[in-house]
Amino acid sequence: DAMVIQNPRYQVTQFGKPVTLSCSQTLNHNVMYWYQQKSSQAPKLLFHYYDKDFNNEADTPDNFQSRRPNTSFCFLDIRSPGLGDAAMYLCATSREGDRKYEQYFGPGTRLTVT
Amino acid sequence: RKEVEQDPGPFNVPEGATVAFNCTYSNSASQSFFWYRQDCRKEPKLLMSVYSSGNEDGRFTAQLNRASQYISLLIRDSKLSDSATYLCVVNGAGGSYIPTFGRGTSLIVHP
Repeated sequence: DAMVIQNPRYQVTQFGKPVTLSCSQTLNHNVMYWYQQKSSQAPKLLFHYYDKDFNNEADTPDNFQSRRPNTSFCFLDIRSPGLGDAAMYLCATSREGDRKYEQYFGPGTRLTVT
Repeated sequence: RKEVEQDPGPFNVPEGATVAFNCTYSNSASQSFFWYRQDCRKEPKLLMSVYSSGNEDGRFTAQLNRASQYISLLIRDSKLSDSATYLCVVNGAGGSYIPTFGRGTSLIVHP
């Protein structure tokens, strides 16, 4: 089945220790998004790729970086995680087309910072 | 005013009840509207797209009111398994692919 896959599902890192989260998709969607979601809050868009074009949200900290080496894969790098970065990180995809950008989410990576 | 607003609830209803959620949006040029369902500690999943003419999928009915800038979700004959958070999502103007999420409405269906 076509899907969005995130690895790892759970990640524990130490304060200040860089961490990379990955996302892959078999949907062949051209748009990929990264969200941060904390308990009882809406997902917060960090950045997205439209094809190869990277778009950063204005309030996304510099501590968060992303790479999209090809259509299928996208990575979220947190250079120096702080305690406040503990959250669920969600990857989503969508495709330009008739369905007006319905989004498909991966299962998320739950990040713990110790 | 927030771009997309929802009553966070929780809405606490018995099985079999009918429950309705509203969501208001501020950008009058918005063109795409969705309801997502999110279970505790899981990812959001698309429940329904919302079309201008309204649409129905089984027990779920979505409506769009452009004049008043709100969308609604009606759930009939609630099941225990409907317990979740329902997220209203609005894409921006001009076919924008950037969504704005409401904070979600929590539904608890009890026996």
